[in-house]
Amino acid sequence: AQTVTQSQPEMSVQEAETVTLSCTYDTSESDYYLFWYKQPPSRQMILVIRQEAYKQQNATENRFSVNFQKAAKSFSLKISDSQLGDAAMYFCAYRSAFVDNYGQNFVFGPGTRLSVLP
Amino acid sequence: AAGVIQSPRHLIKEKRETATLKCYPIPRHDTVYWYQQGPGQDPQFLISFYEKMQSDKGSIPDRFSAQQFSDYHSELNMSSLELGDSALYFCASSFRGAGYTFGSGTRLTVV
Repeated sequence: AQTVTQSQPEMSVQEAETVTLSCTYDTSESDYYLFWYKQPPSRQMILVIRQEAYKQQNATENRFSVNFQKAAKSFSLKISDSQLGDAAMYFCAYRSAFVDNYGQNFVFGPGTRLSVLP
Repeated sequence: AAGVIQSPRHLIKEKRETATLKCYPIPRHDTVYWYQQGPGQDPQFLISFYEKMQSDKGSIPDRFSAQQFSDYHSELNMSSLELGDSALYFCASSFRGAGYTFGSGTRLTVV
């Protein structure tokens, strides 16, 4: 079974600075997708960035970028020029490219709570 | 280690029927969350409970209700099912807002 680990329960960053959230995962599959979701106090899950495992190029979305190391099974999120609105819980998630009979193939990490200091 | 247990794994219901999904959180976790994830969509937050009291409410239809029982397990009740309710429903639990653990989900198919 796949697992996702986020070793930092809490992180803080000064406004306008850069912060990196770590995520590692374990899988025996070669084809999969990785995601970072942001969960603000509203509890909604907002997709921040997505990476296909077969792509070597790291995904980038404005101030958000990832460092995807497939061999090391590492998928860290870098937030540049941090803003107060970035404060939230961040979840790293794994999704298999293989959908089983039940369509259940999403695995989430335990989350990292990010605080942004003014 | 024990994980979040959801039952059933898969459920097929007809339109206008009712469905009850169950979630058993990690022991000593104080909060349970319910999410709905349609095909190819991001998870949508439905509702959460802290110490058996509803704590937050998201985009949960009026046809749905949920509660958390004295043993901390939670049930999501869905009535007058519609085709659009077909989705993966998963729950998560946490302790003091940290250490989220997600269940594997219940796949609901409405036909």
